[in-house]
Amino acid sequence: EAQVTQNPRYLITVTGKKLTVTCSQNMNHEYMSWYRQDPGLGLRQIYYSMNVEVTDKGDVPEGYKVSRKEKRNFPLILESPSPNQTSLYFCASSRIQGTGGYEQYFGPGTRLTVT
Amino acid sequence: GQNIDQPTEMTATEGAIVQINCTYQTSGFNGLFWYQQHAGEAPTFLSYNVLDGLEEKGRFSSFLSRSKGYSYLLLKELQMKDSASYLCAVRPGGYQKVTFGTGTKLQVIP
Repeated sequence: EAQVTQNPRYLITVTGKKLTVTCSQNMNHEYMSWYRQDPGLGLRQIYYSMNVEVTDKGDVPEGYKVSRKEKRNFPLILESPSPNQTSLYFCASSRIQGTGGYEQYFGPGTRLTVT
Repeated sequence: GQNIDQPTEMTATEGAIVQINCTYQTSGFNGLFWYQQHAGEAPTFLSYNVLDGLEEKGRFSSFLSRSKGYSYLLLKELQMKDSASYLCAVRPGGYQKVTFGTGTKLQVIP
């Protein structure tokens, strides 16, 4: 079954305590992305990755880090979380099909609260 | 910068047809996406348009006009389960950077 998994699903933490949200996909997709979703602002891309060791900034990268050491994993790292990073986070993986079509799956989301 | 506009809310009747519009002004264009998102859930990919025209997938169709910076999602034979937010997103460049609109919340009423 095609799947994108994220862990943890829910996290409450305190300002400044480093955390990592993991993301893993089982479809051998080249592309992976991280988004945050906030009321009234919609989905905003944080970082994306074109393949192993290839990452780039999205629209809101400040305060976040990512790495892509293996094709299936794309963890999101908050070195020093702050309350304005309280949000719902989604990981996604995708590929462009040989026919020109597109295939994309989102993870179930991680609800992060920083106090 | 990138600007993507969609209506905030729409209401339609079960069994009817509804068209959700999206206009965009971006620094480049390399594809437009539509997603469905039910409350409290992850987005689900619906369609990806790169070329002008209409693409149909069952009850859902998506249209693109690159010269007008305009797209719409057409939902036919509406069902109650179609009540959700519909997100329009644009890929401005050749990479995987994507910018989303704020979404259209569709309510289907009996």
